[in-house]
Amino acid sequence: ETGVTQTPRHLVMGMTNKKSLKCEQHLGHNAMYWYKQSAKKPLELMFVYNFKEQTENNSVPSRFSPECPNSSHLFLHLHTLQPEDSALYLCASSQDFGDEQYFGPGTRLTVT
Amino acid sequence: AQSVSQHNHHVILSEAASLELGCNYSYGGTVNLFWYVQYPGQHLQLLLKYFSGDPLVKGIKGFEAEFIKSKFSFNLRKPSVQWSDTAEYFCAVMGNYQLIWGAGTKLIIKP
Repeated sequence: ETGVTQTPRHLVMGMTNKKSLKCEQHLGHNAMYWYKQSAKKPLELMFVYNFKEQTENNSVPSRFSPECPNSSHLFLHLHTLQPEDSALYLCASSQDFGDEQYFGPGTRLTVT
Repeated sequence: AQSVSQHNHHVILSEAASLELGCNYSYGGTVNLFWYVQYPGQHLQLLLKYFSGDPLVKGIKGFEAEFIKSKFSFNLRKPSVQWSDTAEYFCAVMGNYQLIWGAGTKLIIKP
């Protein structure tokens, strides 16, 4: 398998649930990103990891918790989410931070 | 704070029309500039990029963009659009270790 993969593709969760989104890149890249894409809003950069170290956290609520165990895998742990967190969550990777990014298909999250 | 402006949120054109989508940014230092495209039901993918050198860059599918430093602009152009260019287009700017995205422009091409 090549490129950037994300699982699950769709997720419905209640506000009291805990779930995790997974991203895997098979490109040998050093930087990985989590984005939130909502209708009628700009793409929001949530977290950036460069060489497994978090370099940016753009004021994201603590109910979103990233984890980068190695340079190929990135997780987004979710707990006590709100309905307004419903969105498409995109993962991307690049050779280094700021380079051309390769995106996964996203996880469509619905919080009920 | 740095920002990226895409002035047109929706653009509707007929096939064979010429296209220009605006992108302006606010950072005055060295920048890397990108245009990404998201076709319906597909991943975001790179259309073209500018890091240095010739300010007129060519990308896939006949698209090009011109970096005009004095105007802080990186407008996307295509001389003759096709129905298959229907998509959402995003400008992104990397400057001062910050990566900022524009709000996107939805382009609809009428056959």
